[in-house]
Order: sequence, then structure tokens, then C-alpha cells
Amino acid sequence: EAAVTQSPRNKVTVTGGNVTLSCRQTNSHNYMYWYRQDTGHGLRLIHYSYGAGNLQIGDVPDGYKATRTTQEDFFLLLELASPSQTSLYFCASSDEGAQDTQYFGPGTRLLVL
Amino acid sequence: GDSVTQTEGLVTLTKGLPVMLNCTYQTTYSPFLFWYVQHLNEAPKLLLKSSTDNKRTEHQGFYATLHKSSSSFHLQKSSVQLSDSALYFCALSDRGSALGRLHFGAGTQLIVIP
Repeated sequence: EAAVTQSPRNKVTVTGGNVTLSCRQTNSHNYMYWYRQDTGHGLRLIHYSYGAGNLQIGDVPDGYKATRTTQEDFFLLLELASPSQTSLYFCASSDEGAQDTQYFGPGTRLLVL
Repeated sequence: GDSVTQTEGLVTLTKGLPVMLNCTYQTTYSPFLFWYVQHLNEAPKLLLKSSTDNKRTEHQGFYATLHKSSSSFHLQKSSVQLSDSALYFCALSDRGSALGRLHFGAGTQLIVIP
């Protein structure tokens, strides 16, 4: 099964702080995704990418930047964190995108005070 | 645009009873539907998927049939177990663009009681 890892697993920061969430997949998948999960909203897509150097905007991109540095690594950046960004963040990857299974990482819990 | 609706936020059932979790969708393209399951403190994982009209797909005792005529992909199981307690997401793929992404519903929390 595809392996997706995320770090850190838990993060606490203050309002205005700078946070980077990391995701790595070791299955040479083309697509990688960042989601946030909040009660009542399900999984909401923040950014996604279909290859190194590529970035696509999702449904809730405001306040987030992302960068895909390699086939394996996808980062989510919160440059001025706000309490509204307190959430559970999942990274996922898939091989061929829309029709393919997405494999999720274990998640990162972020608390912005 | 594409969207997915799951009408039940919470379903509570007694072990051994049947369950149906509703999922309807909107898309102008040919749909590809998924059900993902997320157990407590775990990541979501694929339960089943389909793009074939009127064909039942099954996995781990769960089954669903894509009905394009009613834009539905309801998840069913004939006899729920305690271990089925989880959050279930229906998702729709965007096959209309060259760049693949999923549209997730809000999720249905299934709680199975003894």
C-alpha cells in the first residue's frame, strides 16, 4: 500500500506565527493534495499538485501557500497563522488523479492560539 | 460546479441492522464516485468506487450502485457491526478537467451500538 507521511503530527503556534507542514510520499505518485478537516465540513481541498513545481488552487486556499519541491515532497505554508486555521490537515497522493485512489497520510493537528 | 450531498450528519444503529448512507451528486461530466471511511484517529481510506451505471460494487460487506438517472451512489450494508462505527465520506471525481481532484461530501458519522 502507498505510504504517505506527514510532519509534524501535532503543532501549536500563536496568531501571526509561521508554520510549515510537510508531506512525503514514497510511491512516485504524480498527484499530491492538501486538505483540512473540520467538523461539519468534511474534507476541504486547499491546494494540490500534479508534479514537481506544479501547483493548483483548491477550494479554500486563502491564507495558505504550497510548494511541490520534488515528486515526493509537498509542503503547506501558513505565513501568518490565524485561529481560523486551527484544524486537522491531511496530505494525500494518487497516481493518476481523478479516477485513482487517494492515499492519505496520518494527519497533522494544528492549533493556533 | 461539481458537488456532493450527504443528507445525514449522524446515523445511530443497533448492531445487526441494515444501513443506507445517502449520497447524491451534481456534475456536468461523466461521474466517478467513491466512498471513503475514516475510523477514529485514523486517516481516511478508500472503501469502494465506481463509474459504471447500474452496477453494484462491493467491498468488506459494504455495497453501492451508481445510478446516473438519479445522480446517486448510496452506501449500504445488510448487517452493521460495532467495528463499522466511523465517518463515511462520499466523493466525486472531476473528470471534466485534465487535472484530477475529488469533491467530498460533508460526511456521515455512523455509530453502531450493541
